[in-house]
Amino acid sequence: AQSVTQPDIHITVSEGASLELRCNYSYGATPYLFWYVQSPGQGLQLLLKYFSGDTLVQGIKGFEAEFKRSQSSFNLRKPSVHWSDAAEYFCAVGAITGGGNKLTFGTGTQLKVEL
Amino acid sequence: GAVVSQHPSWVICKSGTSVKIECRSLDFQATTMFWYRQFPKQSLMLMATSNEGSKATYEQGVEKDKFLINHASLTLSTLTVTSAHPEDSSFYICSAMSNVWRSPQYFGPGTRLTVT
Repeated sequence: AQSVTQPDIHITVSEGASLELRCNYSYGATPYLFWYVQSPGQGLQLLLKYFSGDTLVQGIKGFEAEFKRSQSSFNLRKPSVHWSDAAEYFCAVGAITGGGNKLTFGTGTQLKVEL
Repeated sequence: GAVVSQHPSWVICKSGTSVKIECRSLDFQATTMFWYRQFPKQSLMLMATSNEGSKATYEQGVEKDKFLINHASLTLSTLTVTSAHPEDSSFYICSAMSNVWRSPQYFGPGTRLTVT
């Protein structure tokens, strides 16, 4: 069974500082990996995805993530955080089952940005 | 592109009544839709997967007779919470994906259900 671990429940960074959110996954085959962001009371917005190929993936809002198979990780990074980045971030691993892409989510990391 | 809407955004209903939540893909054909439940400050729990024109596949522990899912068209799926009880109060989020190879899931804005 697939699983995702986000070891940091809360992270606080200063505006303008760099950010790295950790994600480790467990999956028996080549994983499909995703990062989503959720603002309070809202649905999830896709930041970026990895299916294959280049292990460094660029996403929206200046985010990027790097797939490291040897470490079973897919950490999310941003060189300079903006106050509007404060939100909940979810890492997810996907598996193709029955024609759908079934996602398993991590427990999320709450990002707080100090001005 | 890839916009998913949900209606209503919030609903309050009395215990014992039923409530229907709609999920629509606005600019693409959603061959597969998913329904999730999210408790406060927790992650998303997949409730069921539905393919257009087929019966939904429910996750273990989810009561299919209580949470009725219909995916009658390529742009609309509905979740009906039947005989709602206060413990059904939650944030329900749908997502949709097309049959394009490696299509990601696109999520709706969610529906806050409160059962009194």
